[in-house]
Amino acid sequence: DGGITQSPKYLFRKEGQNVTLSCEQNLNHDAMYWYRQDPGQGLRLIYYSQIVNDFQKGDIAEGYSVSREKKESFPLTVTSAQKNPTAFYLCASSPLARQETQYFGPGTRLLVL
Amino acid sequence: GNSVTQMEGPVTLSEEAFLTINCTYTATGYPSLFWYVQYPGEGLQLLLKATKADDKGSNKGFEATYRKETTSFHLEKGSVQVSDSAVYFCALSARGNNNDMRFGAGTRLTVKP
Repeated sequence: DGGITQSPKYLFRKEGQNVTLSCEQNLNHDAMYWYRQDPGQGLRLIYYSQIVNDFQKGDIAEGYSVSREKKESFPLTVTSAQKNPTAFYLCASSPLARQETQYFGPGTRLLVL
Repeated sequence: GNSVTQMEGPVTLSEEAFLTINCTYTATGYPSLFWYVQYPGEGLQLLLKATKADDKGSNKGFEATYRKETTSFHLEKGSVQVSDSAVYFCALSARGNNNDMRFGAGTRLTVKP
């Protein structure tokens, strides 16, 4: 089955710790995205990547970092510089074409201990 | 910049009631418009989309028509079911810029038996 997988489903971070959220897709999509969702709010774009080894900041990139070493993988690291990391993180992918639909993974909920 | 405004929730309906969730947008050019649905603890699933003015997107009994003159894309369903309980997001994707997808804040729908 083609799709997007995110792991883990729940993640706990201690103060001062970096944590990495995994996102993998087997849809052969060129573009991948990371969004943050806070309660009662829409999605906000953190980072996106349209090709391997290239990525761009979204609206709220501060305190986050990404890599895109393989087409199917786009991990997100939440660094200690992100002071309010508690949120639901969603990964998405899409074909690299105008106005194509974005397909979402099941999400990772990050909580701070 | 591009933006989406959708009606605030929560919306509570009885089974078989008629549903309308309002969505209006601001965008330059001719965006594509989407409705996504999010069930508890899950990622977003595409519900329907429309790519040009007067197009009607439909899926699972839900419909929305792209109205350029009123910059609207209201979601409707004639008879809701308990299983339709979820959060619904209106979104737009700007032409020629696949990374610029903007989401509304979401509307929580609860359908009671």
